[in-house]
Amino acid sequence: EDQVTQSPEALRLQEGESSSLNCSYTVSGLRGLFWYRQDPGKGPEFLFTLYSAGEEKEKERLKATLTKKESFLHITAPKPEDSATYLCAPLGSARQLTFGSGTQLTVLP
Amino acid sequence: ETGVTQTPRHLVMGMTNKKSLKCEQHLGHNAMYWYKQSAKKPLELMFVYNFKEQTENNSVPSRFSPECPNSSHLFLHLHTLQPEDSALYLCASGQEAPLTGELFFGEGSRLTVL
Repeated sequence: EDQVTQSPEALRLQEGESSSLNCSYTVSGLRGLFWYRQDPGKGPEFLFTLYSAGEEKEKERLKATLTKKESFLHITAPKPEDSATYLCAPLGSARQLTFGSGTQLTVLP
Repeated sequence: ETGVTQTPRHLVMGMTNKKSLKCEQHLGHNAMYWYKQSAKKPLELMFVYNFKEQTENNSVPSRFSPECPNSSHLFLHLHTLQPEDSALYLCASGQEAPLTGELFFGEGSRLTVL
């Protein structure tokens, strides 16, 4: 059975204080690892896809990286508008995304 | 605007009511999904429609019944629900063949069962 664990559950940062979110996974036949952002009262919004270990993707202040067992979402000099819940979801041979519980990020001005 | 529209946004129903959630996608995708999101729990896949074939999570109770009349519309019919079914129900669309995990979600229907 595919499993995903995200840590920490919640993270509070000051504006400009960089940090990383972790996604540990156990998946049979990884086809890709996906990151989503979810704002309160809204559905998740797609951010990145990573396909193989060593791959990196960047978007503004966010950079996602992938190893064989983990993915990290690095946030550099965050702003209050980066506050959201970040979800990771590997896609394996079962052909369905397995979502983690998410990390709730709060960036204080 | 994600291209996926869900109605109603909020729904309160008694345990004996029958109601339906509606989802419409304008993205030309060939797969549509229903997810359940409960507080402090991961997104739970309930149903997938791909090329009109339905795949379901075997743990979904029969009081939830999906319907997909065409590739743009998806319904979730609800009857004799329980209070523990209160949650945010999210519809998503995506492209399969080739399979991609890039899904586009609606804003959800917040369901409260009294």
